[in-house]
Parts: sequence; C-alpha cells; structure tokens
Amino acid sequence: DQQVKQNSPSLSVQEGRISILNCDYTNSMFDYFLWYKKYPAEGPTFLISISSIKDKNEDGRFTVFLNKSAKHLSLHIVPSQPGDSAVYFCAAKSNAGGTSYGKLTFGQGTILTVHP
Amino acid sequence: NAGVMQNPRHLVRRRGQEARLRCSPMKGHSHVYWYRQLPEEGLKFMVYLQKENIIDESGMPKERFSAEFPKEGPSILRIQQVVRGDSAAYFCASSEGLAGFGDTQYFGPGTRLTVL
Repeated sequence: DQQVKQNSPSLSVQEGRISILNCDYTNSMFDYFLWYKKYPAEGPTFLISISSIKDKNEDGRFTVFLNKSAKHLSLHIVPSQPGDSAVYFCAAKSNAGGTSYGKLTFGQGTILTVHP
Repeated sequence: NAGVMQNPRHLVRRRGQEARLRCSPMKGHSHVYWYRQLPEEGLKFMVYLQKENIIDESGMPKERFSAEFPKEGPSILRIQQVVRGDSAAYFCASSEGLAGFGDTQYFGPGTRLTVL
C-alpha cells in the first residue's frame, strides 16, 4: 500500500528553467510534509517542509505547494542549477497520535537531471 | 555541530552472520529513527526510539531484527543470521522531538550492508 506516490521516476530540465516535482498521498491523516534531496551514496538532506495549515512555503529557490483537497504537493525549483541534479523524495507524517514526531512515509523518489 | 553519524559506512557479511549498525544522533536530539532503502525503492520506516525506549517498531521485521538506544552510547540496529535479502542501505535519522509542526528528521550517511 503506497501511501505516498511520486509518479514521475525522472525529470530532465535545462539550467535556469523551473523544475516541478510532484507528489500525491492517500492518507488523509498526513499533516506534515517534507522534501529531501539525495545524492548517490549519501543520506537524504532536508530541503523544505510544509504543514497542513499552510498551502505554500518558500525558501530561496525552493517553494513547496500543498493542495489538501487533491492530496497533492509539489516542489518548485527556480532557477534550476546543475548542482540540483539528485534524487528528490517527498515524505509525510501524521499527527494522529498526538505527537508531531514519528515515522516518515516516503515516496519512491524522482531523479532530477539539470542540463547545463 | 556534527550531524548524524553512522558506522560502518560499508559492511559485508556472509549469510548467517550478524550485522551491527551504529548511529549517533545530532547533538541535542533524543529521537532516533531507522529506515531501510532497498535497491530502486524509497526509504521504508523500521523503528523509532527514544533513550532506552522503543516507541514504534511497526516497520521492523518480526524475526532477526532488533534495535536499541541505550542511556549512554549510540543506537544499534542488529540483524541476526543475515540473508541476501537484507542487503540494503540502512539510514538513521534523528530529531529533537518538537511539539507541534516542525520536528524535522536529519539523516546520517547510511550503512550499506552487503550479504554474500
């Protein structure tokens, strides 16, 4: 049961253009969402997060949008740079147990390639 | 401020041997999580621990796998009688355990286990 899905295994973008990575979820109890970037042979690096009380969060070149009714979130990277080439994972967690901490449920990842 | 430390980075075991993976959380973090990434897949939650307590082990296989986070020292993920299917990257993450939204998990570099 894949509760968090990233339906695009890969994305190729030209340097300077916008990269849009998408993520869908099925569990309506999820209320906190995170994006991680991962290089080969390294651990995931936290990029940006958003809680269910917001629909947008911005940090520099990275913006995350949340559409709760559609159970969909997206990560926008503008402008894209070759150094952004990596695997991007979205992750979600639930506050249902009364705690904000706890396990993350990850998508399968999207490989982003930014061409110079 | 050192990040999450994991050792060893690479571990090779023969079938039937034991594997011990260690994780030291970031300074000030008392919550530790273990995730496993099989080839071509996303990260899957295994277990969540606080000092001397297992909080959630819903993702841990029922047999051969155990985890601990003692009062002193690193968290240990132990796999007894390893089989080829245990070959994977094992990631540890830590967090502060903040109330409300915003408790972000930070990941270590991972241990790549190969079972011959």
